[in-house]
Amino acid sequence: KAGVTQTPRYLIKTRGQQVTLSCSPISGHRSVSWYQQTPGQGLQFLFEYFSETQRNKGNFPGRFSGRQFSNSRSEMNVSTLELGDSALYLCASSLVGQGAYYGYTFGSGTRLTVV
Amino acid sequence: AQSVSQHNHHVILSEAASLELGCNYSYGGTVNLFWYVQYPGQHLQLLLKYFSGDPLVKGIKGFEAEFIKSKFSFNLRKPSVQWSDTAEYFCAVSGLTSGSRLTFGEGTQLTVNP
Repeated sequence: KAGVTQTPRYLIKTRGQQVTLSCSPISGHRSVSWYQQTPGQGLQFLFEYFSETQRNKGNFPGRFSGRQFSNSRSEMNVSTLELGDSALYLCASSLVGQGAYYGYTFGSGTRLTVV
Repeated sequence: AQSVSQHNHHVILSEAASLELGCNYSYGGTVNLFWYVQYPGQHLQLLLKYFSGDPLVKGIKGFEAEFIKSKFSFNLRKPSVQWSDTAEYFCAVSGLTSGSRLTFGEGTQLTVNP
């Protein structure tokens, strides 16, 4: 079966702009989580969606938001981009709402560079 | 707040050497523990996980990990590494009070020389 698909793979944006990243989970997976990976901070949890509802949120400013559609696809949006937002953004999906109990499948990520 | 600490940030071994990567966590409750691996240019993959029961868990590619509750540790081991094990390894924890959130350690870059 197809894995977790993230688009685009690479993105370059200018400070102050906004960006939308997309994630298509594995077919049948209803839980989608987002993580930010940077060399300095490592992997940090952004938020999790299950059945179109945000179930958990990490410690990120309100500029970071997300949503999930009825087909379980998810998007995350970052507004008013800052240089520090440059990172690899990873999407992870799981079969049930409590993905951390059963294991996540991660996508390859979207590499965002803010200039 | 929960936290995970990986002792070694970079480990260099020769093929056939034994591997042990340290992981300690801080969490005030029942935990679920994971090791993930990220091979160069690839996505994060689950190596193994512990929820309950036998504290010695076996994962893919010959890896195993032991949960020692009294030491808050979940060390990853492999008796004989191969060049193809070169990758970054992440320990992660989740718990009942954190729901689906995974807290990751800093990662350990393993380089295996042929």
